[in-house]
Amino acid sequence: QSALTQPASVSGSPGQSITISCTGTSSDVGGYNYVSWYQQHPGKAPKLMIYEVSNRPSGVSNRFSGSKSGNTASLTISGLQAEDEADYYCSSYTSSSTRVFGTGTKVTVL
Amino acid sequence: QVQLQQWGAGLLKPSETLSLTCGVYGGSFSGYYWNWIRQPPGRGLEWIGEINHSGSTNYNPSLKSRVTISVDTSKNQFFLNLSSVTAADTAVYYCAREGDDLDVWGQGTTVTVSS
Repeated sequence: QSALTQPASVSGSPGQSITISCTGTSSDVGGYNYVSWYQQHPGKAPKLMIYEVSNRPSGVSNRFSGSKSGNTASLTISGLQAEDEADYYCSSYTSSSTRVFGTGTKVTVL
Repeated sequence: QVQLQQWGAGLLKPSETLSLTCGVYGGSFSGYYWNWIRQPPGRGLEWIGEINHSGSTNYNPSLKSRVTISVDTSKNQFFLNLSSVTAADTAVYYCAREGDDLDVWGQGTTVTVSS
């Protein structure tokens, strides 16, 4: 299975909004509403930010939102803050009953 | 509040078998899938596989020939065995619960393969 495609890096100024894309195929992202997003700070375990395309776990800021269109899912961070600087990974269920992660995106707050 | 604590050997020689344990504390063990994920140095996340409390498993096709994930429900633990390791298996290995997706993670275990 091939990793989902994400941009290597995205940057924005404090207060701005940024969007990270996650492109797969009809056998993963496009075929199921089981796309999730994870935030990872250096040296830390990943943290779930969005599940089932657009649902936020309890305790996650509503500045984080998710969506999907066709084979591409997106994570939007609004009101960008310094603490949002991290790596972000998408993940999807696949038609083979497995899971695949995205290539990862480094978010930089300018 | 469920917590995952993981442990295992951190330094292996090529051709040896990697063995890690993940203990589940403070929550239910049944009704979930339990996952292993790894992250090579400076690289992205790679899903290894998962198991539920009854022992049903799914594996990453690229690792399937070398991976065994098992469970001991009496101890609320699950295990990862990866055989015939090489330097390419050097990574931080994480265990995680699949509740609302991968919502609880272990602290990570650094495994280095070197002769």
